[in-house]
Amino acid sequence: AQSVTQLDSHVSVSEGTPVLLRCNYSSSYSPSLFWYVQHPNKGLQLLLKYTSAATLVKGINGFEAEFKKSETSFHLTKPSAHMSDAAEYFCVVSGGSSASKIIFGSGTRLSIRP
Amino acid sequence: GAGVSQSPSNKVTEKGKDVELRCDPISGHTALYWYRQSLGQGLEFLIYFQGNSAPDKSGLPSDRFSAERTGGSVSTLTIQRTQQEDSAVYLCASSPEGLRLSYEQYFGPGTRLTVT
Repeated sequence: AQSVTQLDSHVSVSEGTPVLLRCNYSSSYSPSLFWYVQHPNKGLQLLLKYTSAATLVKGINGFEAEFKKSETSFHLTKPSAHMSDAAEYFCVVSGGSSASKIIFGSGTRLSIRP
Repeated sequence: GAGVSQSPSNKVTEKGKDVELRCDPISGHTALYWYRQSLGQGLEFLIYFQGNSAPDKSGLPSDRFSAERTGGSVSTLTIQRTQQEDSAVYLCASSPEGLRLSYEQYFGPGTRLTVT
């Protein structure tokens, strides 16, 4: 069975400070892991993905995530938040051979304080 | 280039009516997915198409929901006898070259369905 847990439903940081969005997963397979961002009234956009290559993955807009198998985590980080980063972020785990095995987390809303 | 498009962007319907939601995937993408996103929730998988066939319909919540895809392109999600609990944003996504779960999905902007 697969599952994904986003540990914070809402994170608020000041502009220019680091961002940490936490994600833990469970998978019976060697998973692929993704982070997507959703701005208001927009579709989801891929930030980055892990597919069994390098464990530190760099994505767009300065975001990166580290796959830690021992901790079953795939936390998303950014060194310095920008106002345009305010959005909903989804952690996704996929594995196995079925489309229904693509599991989305419940999302973390990121707010940026000026 | 053109992304995934969905229509209508908003739909308000009365309880008991049927609705059709349309998805135009990226040209050449063989895999197509429908999801439902309720307020404050993650995405709920509904159905997956590979070409025109739907090998995984396991997420459809009831027999009021159906979907088809024609020409390996456009897909329509139909909800019959809509209920208030069907109110949600319905998202469509496509990806290239079949079900490779390491492929990213490209999402449309969604259709916001409100059942009154």
